[in-house]
Amino acid sequence: EADIYQTPRYLVIGTGKKITLECSQTMGHDKMYWYQQDPGMELHLIHYSYGVNSTEKGDLSSESTVSRIRTEHFPLTLESARPSHTSQYLCASSELGSNTEAFFGQGTRLTVV
Amino acid sequence: GNSVTQMEGPVTLSEEAFLTINCTYTATGYPSLFWYVQYPGEGLQLLLKATKADDKGSNKGFEATYRKETTSFHLEKGSVQVSDSAVYFCALSPPNAGNMLTFGGGTRLMVKP
Repeated sequence: EADIYQTPRYLVIGTGKKITLECSQTMGHDKMYWYQQDPGMELHLIHYSYGVNSTEKGDLSSESTVSRIRTEHFPLTLESARPSHTSQYLCASSELGSNTEAFFGQGTRLTVV
Repeated sequence: GNSVTQMEGPVTLSEEAFLTINCTYTATGYPSLFWYVQYPGEGLQLLLKATKADDKGSNKGFEATYRKETTSFHLEKGSVQVSDSAVYFCALSPPNAGNMLTFGGGTRLMVKP
C-alpha cells in the first residue's frame, strides 16, 4: 500500500480565502506531482518537483503555487480561492529513475463557494 | 511528444461479461506502460504494468500485453464483477528520467448485476 497522504480529503471554502492542500509521502521519492482532475475525469498536471528546492509548472496553467522544502512534503497553495478552482486535486510521487510508476494519494476535493 | 489514447466511455457491461478497454500510445524509445484504476472518491491505484515489449502485466484477473508493433496496451478481463466498476487510466512512463508520466483520458466502467 502506498504511503502518500493528502489532507484534507474534502474542503468547502469561501471565495477569496487562502488555502493550502497538504501532501506527504514516506517513501523517500524525489519526484512529486500535483494533478487537477476535472469532472470529465481527465488528469491535468499542474505542478511537479524533482526534489528539494525544485518546482516546475505542468501542462495546465494554474494560479496555485507549490513549495518543496523537504523531500517528503509538497504542499499546494491558493492565495485567493475562486469558484473556478473547484476540482479534485491529486498528489503523487515516484522514484527519480526512468520508467517509474507513480503512487497517488486519495485526493482532496475542493469546493469554493 | 508522448501521448496516450484510450477508448471513451462509459463502458456498461453485465456481471461476468468479457471486458476490453483499448489503449494506444505514441512515444519515443521504449516506455513502460501502466493501467491505473480509480474507485469513486479515491485516488489512482496501480493495477498492472509492463516494462518491455511482449511483457504481460496481470493483477486481480486483469491482463494487458505490451504490443510494440501496434503500440497498444489493451486491458482485458474475462469475467467482470460489480466491484470492478471504476475509472481506468492507461499511462506511459518514458525512458527519459526527466519526462513525466502521460495519462490517457480515462474510461469509466459500469458493471450491472
